[in-house]
Amino acid sequence: GDSVTQMEGPVTLSEEAFLTINCTYTATGYPSLFWYVQYPGEGLQLLLKATKADDKGSNKGFEATYRKETTSFHLEKGSVQVSDSAVYFCALKSEKLVFGKGTKLTVNP
Amino acid sequence: GAGVSQSPSNKVTEKGKDVELRCDPISGHTALYWYRQSLGQGLEFLIYFQGNSAPDKSGLPSDRFSAERTGGSVSTLTIQRTQQEDSAVYLCASSSPSGGRYNEQFFGPGTRLTVL
Repeated sequence: GDSVTQMEGPVTLSEEAFLTINCTYTATGYPSLFWYVQYPGEGLQLLLKATKADDKGSNKGFEATYRKETTSFHLEKGSVQVSDSAVYFCALKSEKLVFGKGTKLTVNP
Repeated sequence: GAGVSQSPSNKVTEKGKDVELRCDPISGHTALYWYRQSLGQGLEFLIYFQGNSAPDKSGLPSDRFSAERTGGSVSTLTIQRTQQEDSAVYLCASSSPSGGRYNEQFFGPGTRLTVL
């Protein structure tokens, strides 16, 4: 069945560092791909999405490109801030939304 | 506008008791989902309601778990004879009828269940 694998955390970075959180997927057909973020004490929020190959989703300085050839959707940000500290979930949707296990990011000042 | 709301926000119960968790979706959203978030396990799909169709119960982990959606709006997730392994955050999400399969799911804040 469909599955999502993302890098295990926790990830700890200093402010202004470059961030990459790897995500790869297995799916039949052509799923949509998502990154969700869960800030401390809050519910899950959609961060960005891409619906077809080579689409780039972007929001709040984060980017991810739908790579069909490598079945990947890696999340990147050029300069992280303390306020980016959260848990990040990669997900795919064909019939159902399938999530990765989440990666906790801590950004220190 | 109001988002997805869930109640209670926290629930502590004793092993063997039954619990009910409530979800109020965004008004007009026809799809409603329940997920379970366990420590270190990510999000686990439990059940999916879409309009008047029969729910997709394929994610329910055992027959102790059941869910209802009354009037196409509010949903209740019931766990009977709770076990310690049921301790988790239970998340509800809803999505609108438009947008097809790419439509965004909006999540509630979750109910943290602790079974002692």
